[in-house]
Amino acid sequence: EDQVTQSPEALRLQEGESSSLNCSYTVSGLRGLFWYRQDPGKGPEFLFTLYSAGEEKEKERLKATLTKKESFLHITAPKPEDSATYLCAVQAAGGSYIPTFGRGTSLIVHP
Amino acid sequence: ETGVTQSPTHLIKTRGQQVTLRCSSQSGHNTVSWYQQALGQGPQFIFQYYREEENGRGNFPPRFSGLQFPNYSSELNVNALELDDSALYLCASSLASGRPTEQYFGPGTRLTVT
Repeated sequence: EDQVTQSPEALRLQEGESSSLNCSYTVSGLRGLFWYRQDPGKGPEFLFTLYSAGEEKEKERLKATLTKKESFLHITAPKPEDSATYLCAVQAAGGSYIPTFGRGTSLIVHP
Repeated sequence: ETGVTQSPTHLIKTRGQQVTLRCSSQSGHNTVSWYQQALGQGPQFIFQYYREEENGRGNFPPRFSGLQFPNYSSELNVNALELDDSALYLCASSLASGRPTEQYFGPGTRLTVT
């Protein structure tokens, strides 16, 4: 069974204090790993797709990296508007494109 | 480009009733997926439709059913509602391309079962 574990569950940072969120996964062959951002009461918003170990993607203060067992979402000099829940999802090899989501990391950035 | 829309925004139903939730896909997308998200949890996959056919199903009972229409909009139907069905129901659309692609989510429908 595919498993996705995100840590920490919650993270509080001061504005400008860089940190990383972790997504570890156990799948029978990774097809793709996705990062989403979700604001309270809203649907997830797509951030990144990573397909193979060693791949990196960047967008503003966010950088996502991928190894064979985990992915990191690095947040550099965060701002209060970066406060949200960050979700990781994986799609495994097989006949369907059913993604498995982690429970997310709730990030709060204090001014 | 029109994003994913869902209706209604909020809904309150009584245990045992039936409910229909609606979703309009993002323009140009041919695949729609439905998710259930309980408070503090990640989205749980219910099922996916591609060109009007069910293309995958998660661990949900048959009282959860769906439809996709020729214009790629979709419905989620839930019969015999239970208290545990209270959750945020998310619709996501994507363009099938032979490799995993990102999904674009709607704002969700908040269902409360009393």
